[in-house]
Amino acid sequence: EAGVTQSPTHLIKTRGQQATLRCSPISGHTSVYWYQQALGLGLQFLLWYDEGEERNRGNFPPRFSGRQFPNYSSELNVNALELEDSALYLCASSRLVWDIYNYGYTFGSGTRLTVV
Amino acid sequence: GQQLNQSPQSMFIQEGEDVSMNCTSSSIFNTWLWYKQEPGEGPVLLIALYKAGELTSNGRLTAQFGITRKDSFLNISASIPSDVGIYFCAGQRNYGQNFVFGPGTRLSVLP
Repeated sequence: EAGVTQSPTHLIKTRGQQATLRCSPISGHTSVYWYQQALGLGLQFLLWYDEGEERNRGNFPPRFSGRQFPNYSSELNVNALELEDSALYLCASSRLVWDIYNYGYTFGSGTRLTVV
Repeated sequence: GQQLNQSPQSMFIQEGEDVSMNCTSSSIFNTWLWYKQEPGEGPVLLIALYKAGELTSNGRLTAQFGITRKDSFLNISASIPSDVGIYFCAGQRNYGQNFVFGPGTRLSVLP
């Protein structure tokens, strides 16, 4: 079974530009989650999509946005990039489970975004 | 909002030593997960806990779901160099909600 795949692996952008990050979930997973991990820090929740809809959003400005496509893949867009947006962006997928035995998220290896 | 705390923030141990770390919250959680992240990689699930008091092992790792449902513990026995990484706890408050992650415990193992 293929894992969660993210592209690109690395991305270098200039301040003020836009960045687009992509994620393909595990087959059968309908939920996609985006996290930001600044260097040496923990996972900051960005966005959660399920069945094409935004389910929840973290404490980030509106220039962080995304969407989920009918095949459940997802895109994270960051507009008007700032230097502090430099981080590892992790995507995770899961099935939406409404009972016990939620096996949690499977993470991709991330996209390293550097803003210069 | 919901917040998880992990302690210690970081630890340096000698190879062969046992390790204990914990995760606490002011809220009750239904599910606890423990993840490990190695440099340049995404976190990998180690152990999942579903019931208060539950004790689950995965090789040298043992995790417990606290009785109060507000905490969880992870122990690593006889540490080895490949145990190096950041260990994250994650909690789910209600079924169908997204998991909340702790800030992580950074483990370094000295040979």
